[in-house]
Amino acid sequence: GAGVSQSPSNKVTEKGKDVELRCDPISGHTALYWYRQSLGQGLEFLIYFQGNSAPDKSGLPSDRFSAERTGGSVSTLTIQRTQQEDSAVYLCASSLGVSTHSPLHFGNGTRLTVT
Amino acid sequence: QQPVQSPQAVILREGEDAVINCSSSKALYSVHWYRQKHGEAPVFLMILLKGGEQKGHEKISASFNEKKQQSSLYLTASQLSYSGTYFCGTPYSGAGSYQLTFGKGTKLSVIP
Repeated sequence: GAGVSQSPSNKVTEKGKDVELRCDPISGHTALYWYRQSLGQGLEFLIYFQGNSAPDKSGLPSDRFSAERTGGSVSTLTIQRTQQEDSAVYLCASSLGVSTHSPLHFGNGTRLTVT
Repeated sequence: QQPVQSPQAVILREGEDAVINCSSSKALYSVHWYRQKHGEAPVFLMILLKGGEQKGHEKISASFNEKKQQSSLYLTASQLSYSGTYFCGTPYSGAGSYQLTFGKGTKLSVIP
């Protein structure tokens, strides 16, 4: 079946502009996660959703970052007033549920470049 | 807290073996392992569960030592296709929250 789909695959934006990144998880997966990966670095946890709710937003780097999920499916990560340090690959993943036993299925990511 | 992986990088010739370690300062209930090839998304390899058996995937196996709060990934008779960055992830759940936190990764390069 279809995997996790992210769009756009690449986004170049000017400093100060807002951007929206979209994630379409695998059908039936109730858990959805956002990670950020800077060049050559590891995976930085941002936020997760169980259904439409995000119980813990503490991983978001600043109040310029927000995320929502509607209908238990598609999620949008919004970055307001982008800064150059926001440049990274933003990865979305989904799993059957929020459980230590559930593997994550990652999308191919959105490469964000802030100029 | 982020698990600690070692080594940071390793270069192998085809057919050689390698071990990647993942340690946590917190009690572990499970450990996830993923591999990311250059320019691609991370791909799930296996989950090690507390009290569970050693897992295997191709010629890649892993163990989970609860007392040491450590997991090790064993790559046997490495192939060129094993090249990539390996990440371990340790779940944390508590107070209504859940996170799967990854180590910084171990870059594995297999050369002919």
